[in-house]
Amino acid sequence: QKEVEQNSGPLSVPEGAIASLNCTYSDRVSQSFFWYRQYSGKSPELIMSIYSNGDKEDGRFTAQLNKASQYVSLLIRDSQPSDSATYLCAVSGGGFKTIFGAGTRLFVKA
Amino acid sequence: GAGVSQSPSNKVTEKGKDVELRCDPISGHTALYWYRQSLGQGLEFLIYFQGNSAPDKSGLPSDRFSAERTGGSVSTLTIQRTQQEDSAVYLCASSLGGHSQAFFGQGTRLTVV
Repeated sequence: QKEVEQNSGPLSVPEGAIASLNCTYSDRVSQSFFWYRQYSGKSPELIMSIYSNGDKEDGRFTAQLNKASQYVSLLIRDSQPSDSATYLCAVSGGGFKTIFGAGTRLFVKA
Repeated sequence: GAGVSQSPSNKVTEKGKDVELRCDPISGHTALYWYRQSLGQGLEFLIYFQGNSAPDKSGLPSDRFSAERTGGSVSTLTIQRTQQEDSAVYLCASSLGGHSQAFFGQGTRLTVV
């Protein structure tokens, strides 16, 4: 079992729809959870961080964390073509090392 | 500097040559990571430095790969006897340590011909 798992996609949604990206992790003592966005040919950049159970909203983005289920998700409301990118889930666990998932490719169709 | 700096941005080398890639992390960041990303693929973890602790080298793909971090700051990733399969973008990231977010450099694109 991979430590951080994501559906590789691609996930395709129409413009204006909600995109839902999911991630599961194996280390039960994980404490910090991050979502990064990576455009083609660019480096990953942080878009959301979440540390406690529940939802955290920032503009069109909402991160959801459920530690009991070892599950973290990212919702993108009113998806735009500019949101088309690869989204990386990252988890920092007991060893303090941040581990990245393989990423989910998102395509937003105009 | 303001961000993580990597050099060179691009490197073309002949098969069998050694290469050194440099990463200058954000000042004060105790944690430093090296990743490799092949075209269209996800991040492949290579090595992790945290303060003065022994580095986590579990991701290094072979003994041709090594890395050091001098004085808890600048890091160098060395690839000996490069092979064509080493061609990829090598990304460096740093963080404050603990469970803090990581900041990435712009990467070094390595091409082995």
